[in-house]
Amino acid sequence: NAGVMQNPRHLVRRRGQEARLRCSPMKGHSHVYWYRQLPEEGLKFMVYLQKENIIDESGMPKERFSAEFPKEGPSILRIQQVVRGDSAAYFCASSRNRAIPSFGPGTRLTVL
Amino acid sequence: RKEVEQDPGPFNVPEGATVAFNCTYSNSASQSFFWYRQDCRKEPKLLMSVYSSGNEDGRFTAQLNRASQYISLLIRDSKLSDSATYLCVVNPDNAGNMLTFGGGTRLMVKP
Repeated sequence: NAGVMQNPRHLVRRRGQEARLRCSPMKGHSHVYWYRQLPEEGLKFMVYLQKENIIDESGMPKERFSAEFPKEGPSILRIQQVVRGDSAAYFCASSRNRAIPSFGPGTRLTVL
Repeated sequence: RKEVEQDPGPFNVPEGATVAFNCTYSNSASQSFFWYRQDCRKEPKLLMSVYSSGNEDGRFTAQLNRASQYISLLIRDSKLSDSATYLCVVNPDNAGNMLTFGGGTRLMVKP
């Protein structure tokens, strides 16, 4: 039983480039959540998706950030024109219905 | 005011000590409560859910006081392996699982 998988585990980008973070939920899980953890801070909710639908994106920055969870394939968190302040750990979690979500190992984004 | 507040610590305790962490939350309508553990550069992992009646799991005891909007975690007989950051987590409603995390309390257990 594979857990939540995220890749890449580490991503380095230069300012202005695009970052794509992928999340494969646990088998049978149709709910995906993305969280961001800035250095020395707690996790902050970004977006909640179900297959092909964004349910709640109240934690997403208004610009440059987008997320999708297509019918086939992993969920993608996309950050356009990255800035140094985007450097953080991005965690994906998945759940079956309203069960407590399980977290993936995270992607550590470093913007140079 | 932060939605979930915790003392960041660090709490430095010797092996075998009892240590308690506290947390307050601002949303009185919050429905469910948890303690997570996060090791350095790792993902958070569920330690235990927290119920009004209080619940215990081995050396760990969690308590919820809805009237005071206060959550606690007690660790007895601390082990070196308990060293981690403990995150107080609140689910504001049951429409989804958009969890609200506190900033975490760092625990260091020393030999």
